Amino acid sequence: NAGVMQNPRHLVRRRGQEARLRCSPMKGHSHVYWYRQLPEEGLKFMVYLQKENIIDESGMPKERFSAEFPKEGPSILRIQQVVRGDSAAYFCASSPNPGVETQYFGPGTRLLVL
Amino acid sequence: GQQLNQSPQSMFIQEGEDVSMNCTSSSIFNTWLWYKQDPGEGPVLLIALYKAGELTSNGRLTAQFGITRKDSFLNISASIPSDVGIYFCAGSLTYNNNDMRFGAGTRLTVKP
Repeated sequence: NAGVMQNPRHLVRRRGQEARLRCSPMKGHSHVYWYRQLPEEGLKFMVYLQKENIIDESGMPKERFSAEFPKEGPSILRIQQVVRGDSAAYFCASSPNPGVETQYFGPGTRLLVL
Repeated sequence: GQQLNQSPQSMFIQEGEDVSMNCTSSSIFNTWLWYKQDPGEGPVLLIALYKAGELTSNGRLTAQFGITRKDSFLNISASIPSDVGIYFCAGSLTYNNNDMRFGAGTRLTVKP
């Protein structure tokens, strides 16, 4: 059973471009979480999705950021018109249910905005 | 929101030494978890604690859920080079993943 997969692992964008981050959950996991990690800081929750539905987006900025988890295919975190402050590591985690202790993290996407 | 303070920020120790790190919160949690993150990878769960006062071990790792429910510590005994990494505490009030708050991490370096 492959783990959580994220791609790309590294992404460089210029200010104003769009960034698309993909996450394929573990097989059998229908719950997906996105986190952002700034240098020297812990992970900060952004959004929680369960197949085709956004359950909790309380940690996601209201503008420029969106997330989806379609019926088929990976979950996508989209950042429009990126700014330098968006540079961070973005981690996806998946779980078979919403309970703590059940989520597995992917290796992350390191986004650098020039 | 709930603030987690994790200390120390970094530690440099000799192989074989014991390590202790802790996390304190401004408010109570019902679950404390400890994760390890290797360079370039995502966090991996080490220990989960569910009850105030609980003491749980996982090999050379021991973690405790503080009686006040506002703190937790992690001990690593007889450290080895592969213990190198960043250790994060995390707390949850509702037992749900989307409620978890993470500390800023303790960066551990082990000298052979």
